[in-house]
Amino acid sequence: DAKTTQPNSMESNEEEPVHLPCNHSTISGTDYIHWYRQLPSQGPEYVIHGLTSNVNNRMASLAIAEDRKSSTLILHRATLRDAAVYYCILRVPATGNQFYFGTGTSLTVIP
Amino acid sequence: AAGVIQSPRHLIKEKRETATLKCYPIPRHDTVYWYQQGPGQDPQFLISFYEKMQSDKGSIPDRFSAQQFSDYHSELNMSSLELGDSALYFCASSSRTLRADTQYFGPGTRLTVL
Repeated sequence: DAKTTQPNSMESNEEEPVHLPCNHSTISGTDYIHWYRQLPSQGPEYVIHGLTSNVNNRMASLAIAEDRKSSTLILHRATLRDAAVYYCILRVPATGNQFYFGTGTSLTVIP
Repeated sequence: AAGVIQSPRHLIKEKRETATLKCYPIPRHDTVYWYQQGPGQDPQFLISFYEKMQSDKGSIPDRFSAQQFSDYHSELNMSSLELGDSALYFCASSSRTLRADTQYFGPGTRLTVL
């Protein structure tokens, strides 16, 4: 069973904020939440990660629910270059920091 | 900044042949991970190595083997190739002492089995 579930696709208008949701109801206390994005025929690129607290970096913000069973990746102003598949991933230290990918959300940015 | 290097970028093989994929991690990274991504699918973890020792094993077929060498590069050996092995194979690296929490992915090797 997948450890994370995401919508298959989402659309956003350029310059608008985007909220990409992820459910991880079976997350354990030590599992980290990572977000990566992938362009066609390229390797996944790190976006952001967190454990319990909300996180901000130059690319995005990560909002983590208090019970940690869900999280939301926030792109503050979508650009055409943000069009990609966004993966919500659990990193499990108990299994050597193995990454468990979700099915990903394909984000389309409309000019 | 140096990134993860994978070679070859593209590889075409016939059924039942063997293939070797190479991965050169970011300098000073001690951990290497291999992933397989089939068409339209999400990456699936195959195997990882830390300090040249196998660290964790995922859904890697018995026909596949891998190792990490003294210079930290890694090779994924695939034998008796099947049509279903056609996929993108990604290598990622990380450092347990620098930023253990982030894996940096290479550009991938696209393997096509005919």
